[in-house]
Amino acid sequence: DQQVKQNSPSLSVQEGRISILNCDYTNSMFDYFLWYKKYPAEGPTFLISISSIKDKNEDGRFTVFLNKSAKHLSLHIVPSQPGDSAVYFCAASDRGSRLTFGEGTQLTVNP
Amino acid sequence: DGGITQSPKYLFRKEGQNVTLSCEQNLNHDAMYWYRQDPGQGLRLIYYSQIVNDFQKGDIAEGYSVSREKKESFPLTVTSAQKNPTAFYLCASSILPGSSYGYTFGSGTRLTVV
Repeated sequence: DQQVKQNSPSLSVQEGRISILNCDYTNSMFDYFLWYKKYPAEGPTFLISISSIKDKNEDGRFTVFLNKSAKHLSLHIVPSQPGDSAVYFCAASDRGSRLTFGEGTQLTVNP
Repeated sequence: DGGITQSPKYLFRKEGQNVTLSCEQNLNHDAMYWYRQDPGQGLRLIYYSQIVNDFQKGDIAEGYSVSREKKESFPLTVTSAQKNPTAFYLCASSILPGSSYGYTFGSGTRLTVV
């Protein structure tokens, strides 16, 4: 039972363009969502989060959008840079419970 | 600097042997977690601990064991009962069991069975 799904295993964009990474969830009790970034052979690092009471959170080049009715969130990176090339995981929690992670999306930003 | 240290970074094990992966944190976090990463399957929870001397099974606990004798340490033993142990293992911690505070991850241990 995969409660958090990232349906795109990979995404390739040109430097300077927008990257949009998507995540769907099934558990309507999830109330907090996070995005993590992971380079090969390293641990994931926290990128940005959003509470279910909001529909948008922005931090520099990174913006997360939450559509509760569609049970969908997305991460926008503008402008994309080659250093953004990594695996991105979305994660969700239910009232402070442990995190549930998606499968990850490999983003490649081409110079 | 505070953080999580996993050792070793690479580990080779012969079939039939048990092996223990180390995880130490100096963040004063109460909760600690072990995840396994396989290609195309994301991060799957093996075990977690919310307090010293207590731990719970995650989604894929079979073939693994843990202990939490100290707040700073949460070692994971991969036993010979684990049928497919070759993977990248990640340890994480959070300030409180509530994950809204986010997790801090270690840099991982790659285990290969030879």
